[in-house]
Amino acid sequence: GENVEQHPSTLSVQEGDSAVIKCTYSDSASNYFPWYKQELGKRPQLIIDIRSNVGEKKDQRIAVTLNKTAKHFSLHITETQPEDSAVYFCAAHFRGGNEKLTFGTGTRLTIIP
Amino acid sequence: SAVISQKPSRDICQRGTSLTIQCQVDSQVTMMFWYRQQPGQSLTLIATANQGSEATYESGFVIDKFPISRPNLTFSTLTVSNMSPEDSSIYLCSVEVPGYYGYTFGSGTRLTVV
Repeated sequence: GENVEQHPSTLSVQEGDSAVIKCTYSDSASNYFPWYKQELGKRPQLIIDIRSNVGEKKDQRIAVTLNKTAKHFSLHITETQPEDSAVYFCAAHFRGGNEKLTFGTGTRLTIIP
Repeated sequence: SAVISQKPSRDICQRGTSLTIQCQVDSQVTMMFWYRQQPGQSLTLIATANQGSEATYESGFVIDKFPISRPNLTFSTLTVSNMSPEDSSIYLCSVEVPGYYGYTFGSGTRLTVV
């Protein structure tokens, strides 16, 4: 089955700086890679996703890059703000077969004012 | 995206008892997913519930402990049976709405077993 590794487990950055979270996956057939943000006591919320036919996707201050050859993908947050503080989860999904998401272990991001 | 109503939002239960968690979706979906999130941990898939068929359980989860019902395309229940303190966790349902490439989560059920 799919295995997703996520690093780092914790990350602290100064407000205004950039944050990068990296994930690797094991199943080369995975073709959909979402990122979720989970604030304390709340449900995970989808913030950005990328399909395997795309190398990069941006949405305002967040971007995701995908390297299919190396089987890794990354979340980039620029100009970080205090409200970016949360736990972020990457996930990998194989569409067309066993439809389910496999999640990474999570990154606790703290933005230092 | 879909709107999911999950209840109860939290409960404190005695060991040895059972709790049934409900999820109602505002649109028809083929598959519903049940996750467990232990304190400070990631999300672990318990099972996938298809309407009209038996749920598919992930390794480490069994039907006797986590029976699931899926009576129609908008509703599912997960029961946590014969609970022990180790079952204390957050349980979340999730769906993918056709035509929307993303998975939406319910608000979760925070279960404490004493």
